[in-house]
Amino acid sequence: DIQMTQSPSSLSASVGDRVTITCRASQSISNYLNWYQQKPGTAPKLLIYAASSLQSGVPSRFSGSGSGTDFTLTISSLQPEDFATYYCQQSYSALLFGPGTKVDLK
Amino acid sequence: QVQLQESGPGLVKPSETLSLTCTVSGGSISSHYWSWIRQPPGKGLEWIGYIYDSGRTNYNRSLKSRVTISVDTSKNQFSLKLNSVTAADTAVYYCARVTGITMVRGVKGNYYYMDVWGKGTTVTVSS
Repeated sequence: DIQMTQSPSSLSASVGDRVTITCRASQSISNYLNWYQQKPGTAPKLLIYAASSLQSGVPSRFSGSGSGTDFTLTISSLQPEDFATYYCQQSYSALLFGPGTKVDLK
Repeated sequence: QVQLQESGPGLVKPSETLSLTCTVSGGSISSHYWSWIRQPPGKGLEWIGYIYDSGRTNYNRSLKSRVTISVDTSKNQFSLKLNSVTAADTAVYYCARVTGITMVRGVKGNYYYMDVWGKGTTVTVSS
């Protein structure tokens, strides 16, 4: 199976900060990479699919990039509602998730 | 607007079978993939498997020997069975719709993503 890793596992940031989260696949997955946001006690929410396509209704401060094995999720200006855990997911083979990155308040 | 609702027992005894159902409302179960995902307390998301309306399935290799996902198109439902459960199977279980598209920004491919989720149901394995 293709393994997914994320870094960092957690980060502390302030409102207005630019935040970047990295996801790495154990082998090339082209652009078959999705990003989700999960807040405590709620179901995950799709943010980005196909590495860089913004899901309908998701604010434009979220963006995704990358191809092959290395991907990034960027939040251009962190808002109070963005404090959450973020997961990447490969859809190249199966639908396995990365371990997650928790973004909390500095 | 499509909505998903998980249902089933909240408590299952060790060695028994966990059974959950996801009811799809506001849309047809046909022509989509449907998936189960779980999240143990304080941990990350684990994909369990998915099913297409035709009955074709794909399971996480780590759970494949214990998992069965089935679909009932007449009831607009799909189900999860996980046998021989242990305490390690205690988790919040989510169902989700998996949308598949074949082209993104002019590039052909088979892109899948989970765009509609149920609220989740907690299952505890304990005697």
